[in-house]
Amino acid sequence: GAVVSQHPSRVICKSGTSVKIECRSLDFQATTMFWYRQFPKQSLMLMATSNEGSKATYEQGVEKDKFLINHASLTLSTLTVTSAHPEDSSFYICSARDLPGLAGNHEQYFGPGTRLTVT
Amino acid sequence: GDSVTQMEGPVTLSEEAFLTINCTYTATGYPSLFWYVQYPGEGLQLLLKATKADDKGSNKGFEATYRKETTSFHLEKGSVQVSDSAVYFCALSRGSSASKIIFGSGTRLSIRP
Repeated sequence: GAVVSQHPSRVICKSGTSVKIECRSLDFQATTMFWYRQFPKQSLMLMATSNEGSKATYEQGVEKDKFLINHASLTLSTLTVTSAHPEDSSFYICSARDLPGLAGNHEQYFGPGTRLTVT
Repeated sequence: GDSVTQMEGPVTLSEEAFLTINCTYTATGYPSLFWYVQYPGEGLQLLLKATKADDKGSNKGFEATYRKETTSFHLEKGSVQVSDSAVYFCALSRGSSASKIIFGSGTRLSIRP
């Protein structure tokens, strides 16, 4: 089946620094990738939709200058948390949407997530 | 706006017990409904889905029926196994599973041998 990886799986950084998280579709091409954030015991919240070769679309309330998204190829999207603060500590999950099949159907495949801790 | 509410966990059951995880939704019209499962250390996987009222989604012994009248999509399994231990997410989308998805908070299920 389709596999999506994220790197790193865990990262600890100091307040004020920036952290980059990678999301890769390993065996399929993805024109669209989604970035989610999950707080403890809460839902996954969609942060932004990333389209290859164009600017990301951010959900209401998400700061685009703080959460920089780059989708430079059909297999890689990156999320950079700039000037991180402790309140940015969270679990970040990406997903990738494959290209439509013969029936015109897409599927969305999820990565295992990245735990960010800002100290 | 659209939202999903599911029962809080953790839920702990003995092997071969009957499982129900409740899920209700708030949305106008007829969204598509999904259950996702996340096994330890892995990404979310689509477990089953239903796209219209009275549809029943099923997979790996799990079932859920799209009930428009009660806005519910409860997950059931007749006899759980240790390997079913995971976190289960109820979700909805205005389109397919490839579209923007709104998730419930997840329910952690642990099965005792």
